[in-house]
Amino acid sequence: KQEVTQIPAALSVPEGENLVLNCSFTDSAIYNLQWFRQDPGKGLTSLLLIQSSQREQTSGRLNASLDKSSGRSTLYIAASQPGDSATYLCAVQGNNRLAFGKGNQVVVIP
Amino acid sequence: DAGVIQSPRHEVTEMGQEVTLRCKPISGHNSLFWYRQTMMRGLELLIYFNNNVPIDDSGMPEDRFSAKMPNASFSTLKIQPSEPRDSAVYFCASSLGDQETQYFGPGTRLLVL
Repeated sequence: KQEVTQIPAALSVPEGENLVLNCSFTDSAIYNLQWFRQDPGKGLTSLLLIQSSQREQTSGRLNASLDKSSGRSTLYIAASQPGDSATYLCAVQGNNRLAFGKGNQVVVIP
Repeated sequence: DAGVIQSPRHEVTEMGQEVTLRCKPISGHNSLFWYRQTMMRGLELLIYFNNNVPIDDSGMPEDRFSAKMPNASFSTLKIQPSEPRDSAVYFCASSLGDQETQYFGPGTRLLVL
């Protein structure tokens, strides 16, 4: 069974700093990896999807990398803003199932 | 498109009552997923459908839970009888294919007293 771990569970950073969020998974036989954002009381919004053949994906201030062999992904958010405050979830797709980590709860302090 | 639509947004019920959650996927999407989110266990896949057919229901916790997709634009998740431990946020998501990006609805927050 795929296990997805996100550490730390919560973190606070001052505005303007770069954010680094880590995700690890136990089974490297994956189809893709996705990063989602969840705001309090809301659903999930997909941020980036990395196919298993890719090493990274970029969208604006967001960059996600994937190292399948070591079972790791990192989400970088450059020059963080208060609007980036949310919970970020990593999800790994394999065998038609999406396995989620429990998320990194981020607070960006103005 | 309005995105994935779920109803009701909030549900409070008493133990033993039947609960029905509803989902309308994005038009044209042929995969539909039901998830449950709790603080303790995070997000868990309950069941998913492809072209209205249940493909994987191994996440359905027990016989009290059932899900149907009578057509491409509607799905229900039913809990009968409900128990306090079923209290959670239930999300529906849809995608073009089962390996594609999933789009989530706003969720139904269920409280069973």
